[in-house]
Amino acid sequence: DTAVSQTPKYLVTQMGNDKSIKCEQNLGHDTMYWYKQDSKKFLKIMFSYNNKELIINETVPNRFSPKSPDKAHLNLHINSLELGDSAVYFCASSQSPGPRETQYFGPGTRLLVL
Amino acid sequence: DQQVKQNSPSLSVQEGRISILNCDYTNSMFDYFLWYKKYPAEGPTFLISISSIKDKNEDGRFTVFLNKSAKHLSLHIVPSQPGDSAVYFCAARGGGADGLTFGKGTHLIIQP
Repeated sequence: DTAVSQTPKYLVTQMGNDKSIKCEQNLGHDTMYWYKQDSKKFLKIMFSYNNKELIINETVPNRFSPKSPDKAHLNLHINSLELGDSAVYFCASSQSPGPRETQYFGPGTRLLVL
Repeated sequence: DQQVKQNSPSLSVQEGRISILNCDYTNSMFDYFLWYKKYPAEGPTFLISISSIKDKNEDGRFTVFLNKSAKHLSLHIVPSQPGDSAVYFCAARGGGADGLTFGKGTHLIIQP
Protein backbone atom coordinates (compact mmCIF):
# COMPACT_ATOMS: atom_id res chain seq x y z
CA ASP A 1 0.00 0.00 0.00
CA THR A 2 1.27 3.44 -0.93
CA ALA A 3 1.69 5.59 2.18
CA VAL A 4 1.52 8.99 0.48
CA SER A 5 0.02 9.11 -3.00
CA GLN A 6 -0.39 11.94 -5.47
CA THR A 7 -2.44 12.34 -8.63
CA PRO A 8 -1.76 12.99 -11.36
CA LYS A 9 1.85 11.91 -11.74
CA TYR A 10 2.30 14.11 -14.81
CA LEU A 11 0.39 17.24 -15.76
CA VAL A 12 0.91 19.22 -18.95
CA THR A 13 -1.24 22.32 -19.39
CA GLN A 14 -1.45 25.72 -21.02
CA MET A 15 -0.60 29.02 -19.40
CA GLY A 16 -3.61 30.65 -17.78
CA ASN A 17 -5.40 27.41 -16.94
CA ASP A 18 -6.49 26.35 -13.45
CA LYS A 19 -5.43 22.92 -12.23
CA SER A 20 -5.50 20.81 -9.07
CA ILE A 21 -3.13 18.20 -7.68
CA LYS A 22 -4.44 15.70 -5.16
CA CYS A 23 -2.62 14.12 -2.23
CA GLU A 24 -3.74 11.37 0.09
CA GLN A 25 -1.96 9.70 3.00
CA ASN A 26 -3.04 6.48 4.69
CA LEU A 27 -0.61 6.74 7.60
CA GLY A 28 -3.06 8.34 10.00
CA HIS A 29 -0.86 11.42 10.21
CA ASP A 30 -2.11 14.78 11.45
CA THR A 31 0.15 17.03 9.39
CA MET A 32 0.57 17.37 5.65
CA TYR A 33 2.83 19.51 3.48
CA TRP A 34 3.36 20.69 -0.06
CA TYR A 35 6.88 21.19 -1.42
CA LYS A 36 8.03 22.51 -4.79
CA GLN A 37 11.21 21.33 -6.51
CA ASP A 38 12.18 23.90 -9.11
CA SER A 39 14.49 23.66 -12.11
CA LYS A 40 17.49 24.31 -9.87
CA LYS A 41 16.55 21.18 -7.92
CA PHE A 42 15.77 23.01 -4.69
CA LEU A 43 13.00 21.45 -2.64
CA LYS A 44 11.13 24.27 -0.92
CA ILE A 45 8.27 24.17 1.53
CA MET A 46 5.08 25.82 0.30
CA PHE A 47 2.50 24.97 2.93
CA SER A 48 1.94 22.87 6.01
CA TYR A 49 -1.49 21.95 7.29
CA ASN A 50 -2.21 20.56 10.74
CA ASN A 51 -5.67 19.95 12.14
CA LYS A 52 -7.33 22.71 10.13
CA GLU A 53 -4.50 25.14 10.76
CA LEU A 54 -2.83 26.28 7.59
CA ILE A 55 0.65 27.74 7.69
CA ILE A 56 1.46 29.59 4.53
CA ASN A 57 4.92 30.28 3.22
CA GLU A 58 4.99 33.98 2.45
CA THR A 59 6.85 33.54 -0.81
CA VAL A 60 4.06 31.46 -2.35
CA PRO A 61 1.77 33.46 -4.69
CA ASN A 62 -1.87 33.53 -3.69
CA ARG A 63 -2.69 31.77 -6.97
CA PHE A 64 -1.78 28.65 -5.01
CA SER A 65 -4.44 27.49 -2.56
CA PRO A 66 -4.28 24.30 -0.52
CA LYS A 67 -7.54 22.62 0.41
CA SER A 68 -7.95 19.90 3.01
CA PRO A 69 -11.34 18.14 2.95
CA ASP A 70 -10.18 15.87 5.79
CA LYS A 71 -7.05 14.88 7.69
CA ALA A 72 -5.97 12.34 5.07
CA HIS A 73 -6.13 14.67 2.09
CA LEU A 74 -4.40 17.90 1.14
CA ASN A 75 -5.04 19.10 -2.39
CA LEU A 76 -3.29 21.94 -4.16
CA HIS A 77 -5.22 24.19 -6.50
CA ILE A 78 -3.36 26.54 -8.81
CA ASN A 79 -5.10 29.40 -10.61
CA SER A 80 -3.90 31.17 -13.74
CA LEU A 81 -0.90 28.93 -14.29
CA GLU A 82 2.34 30.60 -15.33
CA LEU A 83 5.44 29.24 -17.07
CA GLY A 84 7.39 29.56 -13.83
CA ASP A 85 5.02 27.17 -12.09
CA SER A 86 6.59 24.30 -14.04
CA ALA A 87 8.20 22.11 -11.38
CA VAL A 88 7.82 18.88 -9.46
CA TYR A 89 5.38 19.19 -6.56
CA PHE A 90 5.80 16.82 -3.64
CA CYS A 91 3.25 16.15 -0.95
CA ALA A 92 4.45 14.90 2.45
CA SER A 93 2.97 13.99 5.80
CA SER A 94 4.13 13.54 9.39
CA GLN A 95 2.52 12.29 12.58
CA SER A 96 2.53 15.78 14.04
CA PRO A 97 4.09 19.14 13.19
CA GLY A 98 6.85 18.64 15.77
CA PRO A 99 10.41 19.26 14.62
CA ARG A 100 11.46 15.68 15.42
CA GLU A 101 8.75 14.14 13.27
CA THR A 102 9.85 12.32 10.14
CA GLN A 103 8.16 13.52 6.98
CA TYR A 104 7.10 10.92 4.42
CA PHE A 105 6.96 12.04 0.82
CA GLY A 106 4.75 11.15 -2.11
CA PRO A 107 6.18 10.30 -5.56
CA GLY A 108 5.73 13.82 -6.90
CA THR A 109 3.62 15.46 -9.61
CA ARG A 110 5.53 16.77 -12.61
CA LEU A 111 3.81 19.92 -13.84
CA LEU A 112 4.73 21.44 -17.18
CA VAL A 113 3.13 24.73 -18.18
CA LEU A 114 3.35 25.56 -21.89
CA ASP B 1 19.71 32.56 0.07
CA GLN B 2 20.81 28.96 0.55
CA GLN B 3 20.58 28.08 4.20
CA VAL B 4 21.54 24.46 3.53
CA LYS B 5 24.35 23.83 1.09
CA GLN B 6 25.57 20.68 -0.55
CA ASN B 7 28.53 21.81 -2.59
CA SER B 8 29.18 18.54 -4.41
CA PRO B 9 26.58 17.95 -7.13
CA SER B 10 27.89 14.44 -7.64
CA LEU B 11 30.17 11.89 -6.06
CA SER B 12 31.51 8.64 -7.49
CA VAL B 13 32.63 5.86 -5.13
CA GLN B 14 33.74 2.33 -5.71
CA GLU B 15 31.55 -0.46 -4.36
CA GLY B 16 32.69 -1.57 -0.91
CA ARG B 17 34.41 1.73 -0.09
CA ILE B 18 33.17 4.51 2.16
CA SER B 19 30.91 7.24 0.76
CA ILE B 20 31.07 10.60 2.53
CA LEU B 21 28.46 13.21 1.68
CA ASN B 22 28.84 16.69 3.10
CA CYS B 23 26.42 19.43 4.05
CA ASP B 24 26.86 22.93 5.46
CA TYR B 25 24.24 25.21 6.95
CA THR B 26 24.11 28.86 7.84
CA ASN B 27 21.07 29.18 10.13
CA SER B 28 22.16 28.69 13.74
CA MET B 29 18.50 28.20 14.72
CA PHE B 30 18.38 24.81 13.00
CA ASP B 31 18.21 22.12 15.67
CA TYR B 32 17.38 18.96 13.77
CA PHE B 33 19.02 17.57 10.69
CA LEU B 34 17.97 14.82 8.32
CA TRP B 35 19.22 12.97 5.29
CA TYR B 36 16.84 11.85 2.57
CA LYS B 37 17.55 9.54 -0.34
CA LYS B 38 15.82 9.94 -3.69
CA TYR B 39 15.59 7.64 -6.67
CA PRO B 40 14.49 9.00 -10.08
CA ALA B 41 10.72 9.52 -10.43
CA GLU B 42 10.18 8.85 -6.72
CA GLY B 43 9.75 11.06 -3.69
CA PRO B 44 12.51 11.52 -1.09
CA THR B 45 12.79 8.71 1.46
CA PHE B 46 13.91 9.38 5.01
CA LEU B 47 17.29 7.84 5.80
CA ILE B 48 18.69 9.08 9.11
CA SER B 49 18.49 12.11 11.38
CA ILE B 50 20.39 13.81 14.17
CA SER B 51 19.43 16.25 16.86
CA SER B 52 21.64 19.26 17.52
CA ILE B 53 22.36 17.97 21.02
CA LYS B 54 24.25 15.01 19.55
CA ASP B 55 27.33 14.79 17.38
CA LYS B 56 26.83 11.32 15.96
CA ASN B 57 24.00 8.98 15.08
CA GLU B 58 24.45 5.53 13.59
CA ASP B 59 22.00 3.21 11.87
CA GLY B 60 23.49 0.15 10.22
CA ARG B 61 25.74 1.21 7.35
CA PHE B 62 24.74 4.86 7.76
CA THR B 63 26.30 7.30 10.21
CA VAL B 64 25.62 11.01 10.42
CA PHE B 65 28.12 13.33 12.10
CA LEU B 66 27.28 16.85 13.25
CA ASN B 67 29.83 19.58 13.96
CA LYS B 68 27.77 22.45 15.35
CA SER B 69 30.65 24.88 15.72
CA ALA B 70 31.48 24.46 12.04
CA LYS B 71 27.80 24.23 11.03
CA HIS B 72 28.65 21.10 9.13
CA LEU B 73 27.23 17.62 8.91
CA SER B 74 28.21 14.58 6.95
CA LEU B 75 26.70 11.24 6.02
CA HIS B 76 28.97 8.20 5.92
CA ILE B 77 27.91 5.06 4.12
CA VAL B 78 30.10 2.03 4.64
CA PRO B 79 30.42 -0.24 2.83
CA SER B 80 28.85 1.38 -0.22
CA GLN B 81 26.55 -0.82 -2.28
CA PRO B 82 25.15 -0.45 -5.82
CA GLY B 83 21.67 0.21 -4.43
CA ASP B 84 23.02 3.28 -2.68
CA SER B 85 23.26 5.05 -6.04
CA ALA B 86 20.73 7.89 -5.68
CA VAL B 87 20.46 11.59 -4.94
CA TYR B 88 21.00 12.39 -1.27
CA PHE B 89 19.39 15.48 0.22
CA CYS B 90 20.50 17.11 3.42
CA ALA B 91 17.63 18.84 5.26
CA ALA B 92 17.30 20.93 8.39
CA ARG B 93 14.50 22.03 10.64
CA GLY B 94 14.07 24.70 13.28
CA GLY B 95 14.26 28.47 13.50
CA GLY B 96 10.50 28.83 13.48
CA ALA B 97 10.01 27.29 10.05
CA ASP B 98 7.48 24.50 9.94
CA GLY B 99 8.81 22.65 6.95
CA LEU B 100 12.18 21.24 6.07
CA THR B 101 14.88 23.33 4.43
CA PHE B 102 16.67 21.22 1.86
CA GLY B 103 20.04 21.37 0.13
CA LYS B 104 20.29 20.88 -3.64
CA GLY B 105 21.29 17.26 -3.29
CA THR B 106 24.36 15.18 -4.14
CA HIS B 107 24.12 12.48 -6.77
CA LEU B 108 26.00 9.46 -5.42
CA ILE B 109 27.17 6.93 -7.99
CA ILE B 110 28.48 3.59 -6.75
CA GLN B 111 30.74 1.97 -9.30
CA PRO B 112 31.22 -1.81 -9.42
